[in-house]
Amino acid sequence: GAGVSQSPRYKVAKRGQDVALRCDPISGHVSLFWYQQALGQGPEFLTYFQNEAQLDKSGLPSDRFFAERPEGSVSTLKIQRTQQEDSAVYLCASSQGQGAWDEQFFGPGTRLTVL
Amino acid sequence: QKEVEQDPGPLSVPEGAIVSLNCTYSNSAFQYFMWYRQYSRKGPELLMYTYSSGNKEDGRFTAQVDKSSKYISLFIRDSQPSDSATYLCAMYKTSGSRLTFGEGTQLTVNP
Repeated sequence: GAGVSQSPRYKVAKRGQDVALRCDPISGHVSLFWYQQALGQGPEFLTYFQNEAQLDKSGLPSDRFFAERPEGSVSTLKIQRTQQEDSAVYLCASSQGQGAWDEQFFGPGTRLTVL
Repeated sequence: QKEVEQDPGPLSVPEGAIVSLNCTYSNSAFQYFMWYRQYSRKGPELLMYTYSSGNKEDGRFTAQVDKSSKYISLFIRDSQPSDSATYLCAMYKTSGSRLTFGEGTQLTVNP
């Protein structure tokens, strides 16, 4: 694919359910980032991977949030026991280089609604 | 107080107008500055990337950085309806792995 893809595009969950959001970065990109974007707000950093290593997870809001990138390509963001405040768009971005300095290419996001 | 402040608008201008978008920041550790454009239900896309104080021009877009005032701007000349989107400033520190975004300014250019 030409760009970053995310699935599903929309997810509705009942409060307390677990959800898994998938990100397919651009092939060969070393860095992968997850952001949370609440309605009317800018993206907020969640976590950063360099290949398969999770180098920064300081933005994850609680221990209900977990991310992995086991083979250094596809990444999954998992949210356990979802709460209404988790409703947001979850954006994935990838970049060719290491760290935040390189241009990040964003996917279209997964819109999560928790009822 | 947020590290990066951006007026959310909304901002509505006629076609052909010059648009000025601004952000202020509080932490002098921010050294690299970017502007992203985000269309509805899409991910942000990079427009401009600057490091030093001064101006950088790319077509109809000019990015301006004033590190002494902790103030950055994006100017759009001859604005077009296709420029209607949310504009996000973003910045990061020399050490660290995160981009810090403003909350975005929603712009509408009316034909």
